[in-house]
Amino acid sequence: EVQLVESGGGLVQPGGSLRLSCAASGFTVSSKYMNWVRQAPGKGLEWVSAIFSSGNTDYADSVKGRFTISRDNSKNTLYLHMNSLRVEDTAVYYCAREAARYFDLWGRGTLVTVSS
Amino acid sequence: DIVVTQSPDSLAVSLGERATINCKSSQSVFYSSNSKNYLAWYQQKPGQPPKLLIYWASTRESGVPDRFSGSGSGTDFTLTISSLQAEDVAVYYCQQYYNTPITFGPGTKVDV
Repeated sequence: EVQLVESGGGLVQPGGSLRLSCAASGFTVSSKYMNWVRQAPGKGLEWVSAIFSSGNTDYADSVKGRFTISRDNSKNTLYLHMNSLRVEDTAVYYCAREAARYFDLWGRGTLVTVSS
Repeated sequence: DIVVTQSPDSLAVSLGERATINCKSSQSVFYSSNSKNYLAWYQQKPGQPPKLLIYWASTRESGVPDRFSGSGSGTDFTLTISSLQAEDVAVYYCQQYYNTPITFGPGTKVDV
């Protein structure tokens, strides 16, 4: 079955760090463009980061310098390393596969709460 | 960044009636070299991730019922649900992928 399963969310204090994982099945992560998209509670969707099949990466200005996207081809898994977390980073983080810069497959998401 | 807006914020439609959602981008998302509009539509039900409905402004994703249709070009787009069903109650988002950063509209809530 083709699917994405996120994990790693939780409660973290402002200034803290967290690593999110997204395990893919049914396709190869390294052959696709993969993204993280987040949704603050009760709010809309915000694109966060992308990693391309080449390995190049891209980030929203709001997370640039704090978040790092990566992948482990041997585990067919996507990651988002989040440092210097802020209250405004609180959101459900979705892993999403790109077809042609639109997203044709989404995971169920993992909730990150940044609070003291 | 391309700003994407949607109207209305919410609408209530009787079962079997038509629902129309508008999406506007702050600049054209039409790429003349391939004659494609870089605009997608998603449906999100409570507690679920978004689901792709339409891409290239008017191409229906496999498995999406044909009561969903997309139209428009350049900066103005429309998602139409021709005959609203109870299972269509959701928030609908449009997204431009012409430029980075990818940006989404704020969403339109559709209710019965």
